[in-house]
Amino acid sequence: EAQVTQNPRYLITVTGKKLTVTCSQNMNHEYMSWYRQDPGLGLRQIYYSMNVEVTDKGDVPEGYKVSRKEKRNFPLILESPSPNQTSLYFCASSSDRGLNSPLHFGNGTRLTVT
Amino acid sequence: EDQVTQSPEALRLQEGESSSLNCSYTVSGLRGLFWYRQDPGKGPEFLFTLYSAGEEKEKERLKATLTKKESFLHITAPKPEDSATYLCAVQAKGNTPLVFGKGTRLSVIA
Repeated sequence: EAQVTQNPRYLITVTGKKLTVTCSQNMNHEYMSWYRQDPGLGLRQIYYSMNVEVTDKGDVPEGYKVSRKEKRNFPLILESPSPNQTSLYFCASSSDRGLNSPLHFGNGTRLTVT
Repeated sequence: EDQVTQSPEALRLQEGESSSLNCSYTVSGLRGLFWYRQDPGKGPEFLFTLYSAGEEKEKERLKATLTKKESFLHITAPKPEDSATYLCAVQAKGNTPLVFGKGTRLSVIA
């Protein structure tokens, strides 16, 4: 089954404790992206990657890092999480940035930073 | 700056009561407008892509239309299983990310 898999689904951590949210897709997609979704603000892009070893900032990249060492994986790294990074995070992938083919989203990671 | 505004924020319908959701957009050159459906606890699921004014697409009880300033998602004779949040997003020309609206939360009551 074609899918985007994120782990973990739920994560509670404390301020400053480094964490990684994993994302993997099995569709051989070149394009992958991370979003955060907050009430009243909608989905906002954090980082995206057009291909292996190619990453770029989205609208809200501060406090986040990503890497794309393999085509299928695109982990999101929070080096020093803060409470304002409490949010619902989604990873997405597409064969062409979601223009001529749709974005496929994972089921989300709900992060709470205390 | 590219902007997407969806209205209403929430909509409550009786089963069978048709209605429309609105997505107004401001973008410097539209490449595509997208509709997604999001169920609670899940990621958005793709519904439609529209590329130019006048274009229409249909899927079951849903029909999406596009003008130069807005898109409508028409829901005909909705059922309770159509309850979800519907998201609109636009892709501008050039190397810019998708811009999402805040969504319309639809509840269909049996």
